[in-house]
Amino acid sequence: KAGVTQTPRYLIKTRGQQVTLSCSPISGHRSVSWYQQTPGQGLQFLFEYFSETQRNKGNFPGRFSGRQFSNSRSEMNVSTLELGDSALYLCASSFVNTGELFFGEGSRLTVL
Amino acid sequence: AQTVTQSQPEMSVQEAETVTLSCTYDTSESDYYLFWYKQPPSRQMILVIRQEAYKQQNATENRFSVNFQKAAKSFSLKISDSQLGDAAMYFCAYRRFFGNEKLTFGTGTRLTIIP
Repeated sequence: KAGVTQTPRYLIKTRGQQVTLSCSPISGHRSVSWYQQTPGQGLQFLFEYFSETQRNKGNFPGRFSGRQFSNSRSEMNVSTLELGDSALYLCASSFVNTGELFFGEGSRLTVL
Repeated sequence: AQTVTQSQPEMSVQEAETVTLSCTYDTSESDYYLFWYKQPPSRQMILVIRQEAYKQQNATENRFSVNFQKAAKSFSLKISDSQLGDAAMYFCAYRRFFGNEKLTFGTGTRLTIIP
């Protein structure tokens, strides 16, 4: 069974640009969550989607958005990039209410 | 709001020895999940062990076991017979039993294995 797949793995952007990250969950998993990981702030929850609906959102500005498609694949978008957005963005999927999340390898975003 | 605290930023252990990583949490709920995740330098987060709060028996997975003290809100991870491959960041995490899938993570403990 394929794991959670995130693309791209690495990307470099400049301030003011926007970026889109993609996540394909494990087959059969309908919940997809996104986390931002930085050395200073640790792991912070961005948002969670289930059946194309955002069920929960973390404390991030409106520049961070996401969506989920009918096949459960998810994308997150960050607009007007700032230096502080440099981070590892982790996607996780779960089969609803089993408790555990399965993580992808992450997308490393560097903003110059 | 729930919080998770890992008070040991770094730990080290000799290969084949036993090490315990500490975690405390704060919640007003009675039903929840607790997890230990491992993030090796290759950075994919891997589930090590999970505990449901309603279960009194401590979870065990091969060389990994937990000491779950619900009243004290403590959830420590014991690694026995430490191996070089155990070197990683270890994160303690909390999730509500009902509702959304959000995990609240601690700040992590970096574990070094000394050959």
